[in-house]
Amino acid sequence: SQQGEEDPQALSIQEGENATMNCSYKTSINNLQWYRQNSGRGLVHLILIRSNEREKHSGRLRVTLDTSKKSSSLLITASRAADTASYFCATAGDSGGSNYKLTFGKGTLLTVNP
Amino acid sequence: DVKVTQSSRYLVKRTGEKVFLECVQDMDHENMFWYRQDPGLGLRLIYFSYDVKMKEKGDIPEGYSVSREKKERFSLILESASTNQTSMYLCASNPGQGDEQYFGPGTRLTVT
Repeated sequence: SQQGEEDPQALSIQEGENATMNCSYKTSINNLQWYRQNSGRGLVHLILIRSNEREKHSGRLRVTLDTSKKSSSLLITASRAADTASYFCATAGDSGGSNYKLTFGKGTLLTVNP
Repeated sequence: DVKVTQSSRYLVKRTGEKVFLECVQDMDHENMFWYRQDPGLGLRLIYFSYDVKMKEKGDIPEGYSVSREKKERFSLILESASTNQTSMYLCASNPGQGDEQYFGPGTRLTVT
C-alpha cells in the first residue's frame, strides 16, 4: 500500500528560523495532506494539496507537491516555540476504496527552542 | 467547529476483557475512522465506515470489530483485550472521500 514517509525523523531549530519537512510516497494520489500533533493529543489538519496543484500557502505554511518525484515538502516560516509538535503527511488514493482512506507517514518531530 | 469526542482519555483494562471505545462526531460526516498509534509505527488504520451499518477493514483489523448504528457514533470493540493492544486509539471523521479528517483527542488504552 502507498505510504508517506517523512524526512527527517526529528528536527531541532531556534525560534525565528524556518523548518522544512519532506514527505515521499509510492503510488498515485488524489491529494496529500499535512497534520500536526501536539504531544499526547489528536491530530489537527493543516493543509491539503491536490494532485494537480504544485504549491499552496496557508499563513506561515507553504506546501509543495511534485507528483513526478512522488514527494512533498512542508515549510514553516518564522517558527515559534508553539510550533513544537509532530508533523505527519498523509496521502489519499485516487481509485476504488483507496480514496476513502488516508495513509499516514511516521512523522517528523519538530522542536523549536526559545 | 467540528467536534469529535472520545469516551475516555485514559483506560486501563485486564487481559481478556471486552473493551468498548466510543467516538461521536457532531458534523453529520459520512465517514468515520479508527486508528491506533504506536511509537515508531505511526498511525495505522484499523477500520473505517462510510455509512451507517457499513464498515471496511483497514490495515490492521485483527482482534478488533466495529459498530456504527447511528451516523454520529462509531464504536471500536476489542473482543478479548491483549497486552499487544496497549496503544493510543484515535477516532476521526470526514464528510467525503479523501477530505481532511477531524480527529478526536485520543484514548490511551493500557491492557495489563
